[in-house]
Amino acid sequence: DVKVTQSSRYLVKRTGEKVFLECVQDMDHENMFWYRQDPGLGLRLIYFSYDVKMKEKGDIPEGYSVSREKKERFSLILESASTNQTSMYLCASSLSRQGITEAFFGQGTRLTVV
Amino acid sequence: GQQVMQIPQYQHVQEGEDFTTYCNSSTTLSNIQWYKQRPGGHPVFLIQLVKSGEVKKQKRLTFQFGEAKKNSSLHITATQTTDVGTYFCAGPELYNFNKFYFGSGTKLNVKP
Repeated sequence: DVKVTQSSRYLVKRTGEKVFLECVQDMDHENMFWYRQDPGLGLRLIYFSYDVKMKEKGDIPEGYSVSREKKERFSLILESASTNQTSMYLCASSLSRQGITEAFFGQGTRLTVV
Repeated sequence: GQQVMQIPQYQHVQEGEDFTTYCNSSTTLSNIQWYKQRPGGHPVFLIQLVKSGEVKKQKRLTFQFGEAKKNSSLHITATQTTDVGTYFCAGPELYNFNKFYFGSGTKLNVKP
């Protein structure tokens, strides 16, 4: 079974703090994603990575950065957390191939910025 | 990024009634995926459609991909309380089939 593990289920941080959200997958997937989920807005893509050290911006990268130093690990960084970054953050991974490219999601991290 | 619009946002049905959610893209999609997210859970892959006009069935769920590959639908026949959740469609970026953008989702509530 593919497993995507996010480091925290719930997180409370203060405004201005630097926040790290970690995601690890155990299936040697090339692609990894960070999405943000808010009611009525669905899942919005923050960043996408298709290989180690490679990244592409999604729809809402402002205020976020990412790091992928190892294939299995994809980190989302909030450089200076703000209250409008309070949200559910979902990490996902998938194989890079033609054909079925289903994404496997982690359990999510609910971040509250106070 | 890829614009994938989904309607309706919410749907409340009586158990046994049918349910349909629609997904529309501003550009042609190479394929489309559908996911289900149960309350408190994470999205789980249901299916991927690739061919123009493709129809696939999974028990009471019927998935369609439009002829122009710009729209898709998910139809559930005779809903059950186990169908409760949010259904998302997801389409890849035009020149990168690995980079997926999700629709806003349809939240289905089924009254017993």
